[in-house]
Amino acid sequence: RKEVEQDPGPFNVPEGATVAFNCTYSNSASQSFFWYRQDCRKEPKLLMSVYSSGNEDGRFTAQLNRASQYISLLIRDSKLSDSATYLCVVNGGSGNTGKLIFGQGTTLQVKP
Amino acid sequence: NAGVTQTPKFQVLKTGQSMTLQCAQDMNHNSMYWYRQDPGMGLRLIYYSASEGTTDKGEVPNGYNVSRLNKREFSLRLESAAPSQTSVYFCASSETDLSSYEQYFGPGTRLTVT
Repeated sequence: RKEVEQDPGPFNVPEGATVAFNCTYSNSASQSFFWYRQDCRKEPKLLMSVYSSGNEDGRFTAQLNRASQYISLLIRDSKLSDSATYLCVVNGGSGNTGKLIFGQGTTLQVKP
Repeated sequence: NAGVTQTPKFQVLKTGQSMTLQCAQDMNHNSMYWYRQDPGMGLRLIYYSASEGTTDKGEVPNGYNVSRLNKREFSLRLESAAPSQTSVYFCASSETDLSSYEQYFGPGTRLTVT
């Protein structure tokens, strides 16, 4: 079983749609959670950290469910510029400082 | 600030050849990392350096060596390239070794081994 699992998609949605991505992780000791965004043939960049209480940044909302070891990302009012691959990222757990575990990514295509 | 820079951007090697990928950061970060990205696999950690003078193996270290030359620079060496090392290589840096901190990535090196 992969340590971080994501549905690779692609998710094809029209502009203005709401879309949600999910991610599960296997290490219950993990303490830090992130969503990174990666544009085609570019480097990953941090989109947002994910906090236990959930957090929102504009049109983006991230949620964490520790009991189910599940992370989600909700994008409201999708824009063409949201088209990218979204990487779920989890730290390696206690004793694994510095090691981030990346999911394979979920691809989003927003159509006009 | 340039952030994290990597050279070269593209490279084609023949099996058995060696090369060094260079990485430098100008953010005064303590920690630096090397990842490889393959289709359907996500990014996998090759080696990391928590601070100047230290290096540690990641998930896929076989076939690679690293050098933390100083606080700014972290190089990755392939001593005898194999087709299985065809990949996109990303260098990253972060303030500290604690993985609650954002990692900043370089633009990547696309390596093909024939």
